[in-house]
Parts: sequence; C-alpha cells; structure tokens
Amino acid sequence: AQSVAQPEDQVKVAEGNPLTVKCTYSVSGNPYLFWYVQYPNRGLQFLLKYITGDNLVKGSYGFEAEFNKSQTSFHLKKPSALVSDSALYFCAVRVPYGGSQGNLIFGKGTKLSVKP
Amino acid sequence: DTGVSQDPRHKITKRGQNVTFRCDPISEHNRLYWYRQTLGQGPEFLTYFQNEAQLEKSRLLSDRFSAERPKGSFSTLEIQRTEQGDSAMYLCASSQGEGHWNEKLFFGSGTQLSVL
Repeated sequence: AQSVAQPEDQVKVAEGNPLTVKCTYSVSGNPYLFWYVQYPNRGLQFLLKYITGDNLVKGSYGFEAEFNKSQTSFHLKKPSALVSDSALYFCAVRVPYGGSQGNLIFGKGTKLSVKP
Repeated sequence: DTGVSQDPRHKITKRGQNVTFRCDPISEHNRLYWYRQTLGQGPEFLTYFQNEAQLEKSRLLSDRFSAERPKGSFSTLEIQRTEQGDSAMYLCASSQGEGHWNEKLFFGSGTQLSVL
C-alpha cells in the first residue's frame, strides 16, 4: 500500500536554530511530493513541492525540502526557525498514474513548536 | 481570489440523522476534492471531481456518503444515517489542473461534524 510516514509527532526547536521535519514515503515509481502547513483554525496551506529536477526545492516562508530518492525521503528544512513557524506540518505524495491520481496521500502530521 | 469556503463550520447531529455540507471552490478551479480528518491524523481522501464528473471515490466513502458537483461549481457532501464514527473534520479543496497532477490544492477551513 502507498503511504507517507512522518516519524516524529512533535519537533521542538529554539527560535533562530535550524529545523528539520522528517518525511519518508512508500510508493511505486516517481511520485510528486508536497508539504502543507496547518495553522490553528485555518485551512491547510501549500508550502512547496518536488516534481523533478534539482533535489533541493524552495518554498514559502523560507522553507526548503530535500528530495532523496535512494532513501525515499523528503525532509522539510529551514535554516533559522521563527516562533511564527509553530504549526502542524503535513507531508503528502501524489502518484500521477495508476488510476488514483486524484488521491493526495498525507502523513499524519508533525507538530512544530518554536520557543523564543 | 476569495478562497475555498465551507458551510457550516460546525455541525452537531444525533446518530441516525442525515447531514449535508457545502463547499464553494475558487471560481476558476476545475478540480474539487473532499477529505476527512480526525484528531491526530492527516487528511484522508474521500472523493474528487473534475468539473461536474466524479472521477474517483475512496473505499472510505461508504454507500451512506454521496457527493455531487452540479454544473461544476459548488459541491455538496451528504452523509445519511450518521454514525458516531463519522465524527471528523470534513475538508474541501480545489485546484486548477489540466492533464497533470502536480498542482497545489487550496483548502477550506473545514466542517467539524460531531455525531452524538
């Protein structure tokens, strides 16, 4: 079965420190990879995506993610965390073939807490 | 761009009753998705429309669930004979996609359903 794993329920960092939120996936072929963020009482918002090409992709709010095909990972990173980055982060994968292209498969989410 | 809107924000119902939710996507978007999210989990795909055609349905979408998107504009999700296990946040998302699957989704704030 195709799946996305976010091994950490929560990540805590101090403001100004780098942050990493981990994501691994298990799908066949070459999927599209996404990160979404969910702030309290607000809808999910798109952060960035990997389709093809350069393994390091840059997105909104200074976030970037590194695609590693051999490790089937797509970790989210930011060089210097802000308190306002505190939110719930979801990794997602989409398989663009095979009859279930409409299904964006989400991980269970990682709560990021950035302390002042 | 007024965003994706969902109505109502909250719905409390008694077991066995029918409920209907509405989603208004971003006006120029041709794709519309319904997801369900429970506490501590990522969104789970329910169904997807391309214009007015319902093209995919998850196995999660039992025969008590039905979705429509008449005229390719707004969509409704109806749950008949609600059960306590239906309690969840129901999310709607829309996107503009033509023959590819790497577009970003825009999510509404969701409808929180509580079945007593």
